[in-house]
Amino acid sequence: KNEVEQSPQNLTAQEGEFITINCSYSVGISALHWLQQHPGGGIVSLFMLSSGKKKHGRLIATINIQEKHSSLHITASHPRDSAVYICAETMIKAAGNKLTFGGGTRVLVKP
Amino acid sequence: DGGITQSPKYLFRKEGQNVTLSCEQNLNHDAMYWYRQDPGQGLRLIYYSQIVNDFQKGDIAEGYSVSREKKESFPLTVTSAQKNPTAFYLCATTAGYQETQYFGPGTRLLVL
Repeated sequence: KNEVEQSPQNLTAQEGEFITINCSYSVGISALHWLQQHPGGGIVSLFMLSSGKKKHGRLIATINIQEKHSSLHITASHPRDSAVYICAETMIKAAGNKLTFGGGTRVLVKP
Repeated sequence: DGGITQSPKYLFRKEGQNVTLSCEQNLNHDAMYWYRQDPGQGLRLIYYSQIVNDFQKGDIAEGYSVSREKKESFPLTVTSAQKNPTAFYLCATTAGYQETQYFGPGTRLLVL
């Protein structure tokens, strides 16, 4: 069974700072997902990637398949980035396209 | 306006009572999922359905039941056999293999 580990569990940053969240997994995957959960509970998918790097606005996601590691970077952080960021993976040939989730990283950006 | 709706937003259950959480989608997605989230823990899969009239148990299916009679709907029943039902329940859909999952707004279930 794959394990998905995130670090740190909690992160506090000042507005404008560069933020990095890390995710590691134990077995081969077909895709790695980064999700954002707002304080009200709603979850939004940010990225799905299987290799390389993706960028959307101030968010950048990278993955290193050999090292079984992915990072989510937030550049020029803003208080509205405060949320829980969740890493999840789809294992190769997983029935039903099931996701395995990390425990999440709670990010607080102070003005 | 495409999306996933879950109702109610808050639900209260009395001891020994079955309650049903609604999940409706108009995205025309084949696959639907139910997850449970407990404070400080990752999401865990309860049940999933890849096609109408078919569903599979996830990692924590005991005490729950589902049906998939229509493509748009995937209701979850929390039975009296679920001894610790207090949690945040999220429904999700996906268009196909290795596609992005879309999440509903969630239902918070509390036991009276």
